This record gives sequence, structure tokens and C-alpha cells, in this order.
Amino acid sequence: NAGVTQTPKFQVLKTGQSMTLQCAQDMNHNSMYWYRQDPGMGLRLIYYSASEGTTDKGEVPNGYNVSRLNKREFSLRLESAAPSQTSVYFCASQTGAGELFFGEGSRLTVL
Amino acid sequence: AQKITQTQPGMFVQEKEAVTLDCTYDTSDQSYGLFWYKQPSSGEMIFLIYQGSYDEQNATEGRYSLNFQKARKSANLVISASQLGDSAMYFCAMRENAGGTSYGKLTFGQGTILTVHP
Repeated sequence: NAGVTQTPKFQVLKTGQSMTLQCAQDMNHNSMYWYRQDPGMGLRLIYYSASEGTTDKGEVPNGYNVSRLNKREFSLRLESAAPSQTSVYFCASQTGAGELFFGEGSRLTVL
Repeated sequence: AQKITQTQPGMFVQEKEAVTLDCTYDTSDQSYGLFWYKQPSSGEMIFLIYQGSYDEQNATEGRYSLNFQKARKSANLVISASQLGDSAMYFCAMRENAGGTSYGKLTFGQGTILTVHP
């Protein structure tokens, strides 16, 4: 019962370094999402993909890029990490009714 | 303007008692959905309950019920018979109708930390 799998679970970067967060779901969902969670801010949408081959910006897309590699995989890339991107990142996939299934989260620290 | 507002940063409840977590929302869509998620200290997000805007009955899932008052645009979560394991952060979220497609972005509130005392 994998559901939504994110890697890595923890990462420390230096300012200016790049990295990619990987996400895969095995529930055959069309829509996938990347959120970030900061203390006192709830979850904010970074990017989403309504279906394979499409991606759209969410509320806080600056500094990020995404790739919907296929129906299963949706990756988030930080090209030049900044301390403001220190956060917990959640990937999610969505059922037809709208419910989100979340991964376990990836804790990123940018020094 | 905030689309989802959770006005209670923290709530305390005695074990076995009921507690209500408040959520108000703002949308001009006629079709929308409301969700509650639980986030324990371990960090995962756990789906609790869903209410569609056209559902006439309040949603219930075990000890969880959603007090949906459409005219007041509120969707409060009621937890009955609280347990120590209910201590967690709780998020209210809304999915607005995305032009009739089957998906829609969820917007989350800032969350309420619930602490259950023995």
C-alpha cells in the first residue's frame, strides 16, 4: 500500500544549490500537487498538474519548476535554493471527488 | 481575502468530551467541497471527512461530524468522545469547482492545534 511516495525525506542544501524532490503515486490518479508547509501558514500550493502533460502555477510558484514525467510521477525542482525555501514539502494526488492523498513530506533546510 | 479561516490557533479538551473546531470559508462558486485533515506530530496528513456543497445531510465518519451551515459559510468539525490520540493539528480545506472538471485545487486554512488532556 505505497500510495504517494516522496523522496528524499530530509535534505540540507546551501544557498544556490539545486535539487529535485521526487513524487510517485500508484493510485492511477490524474491530478497531482505540490504544497509547502510553513509554521503558521498552513499548506500553500506551489504547482499542480491536472493531468499527464499539463502543469500550472499555484499560490507560491516563484523559485520552483515542476515536471509531470508520466501519470505516476510529478517532480519539483529548486534551481537555486534560497533560505526562504526552507520548509516541509508535501506531494499529493487527488481522487475524482477531490480528496487529496498526501505523501509523508520532505523536510528541506537551506542554509 | 482568506478563503479558509480557522480562528482558533489552539484548543484544549478533556478526554471523552466533545470539541468543535471552527472553519469559515469564502467562495462565489455554487459547487464546492470542504475537507478536514488531521496532522499528528509525526507529520503525515490524514483525511478525516468531506462535505459537498450540495449534500443536504451533514457528513459523519465515526467520531467525526461536520456541522455544515451553508448560509453562514461555516464547516465546523465536531469530534465526539475525544481521545488522547486526537491531539494533533487540524486543517480545514476547500475545493472550488474548477470549471466543471473533475479536479480542483484545495485551499487550506492555517490550522488549529488540538490538545486532549487526560
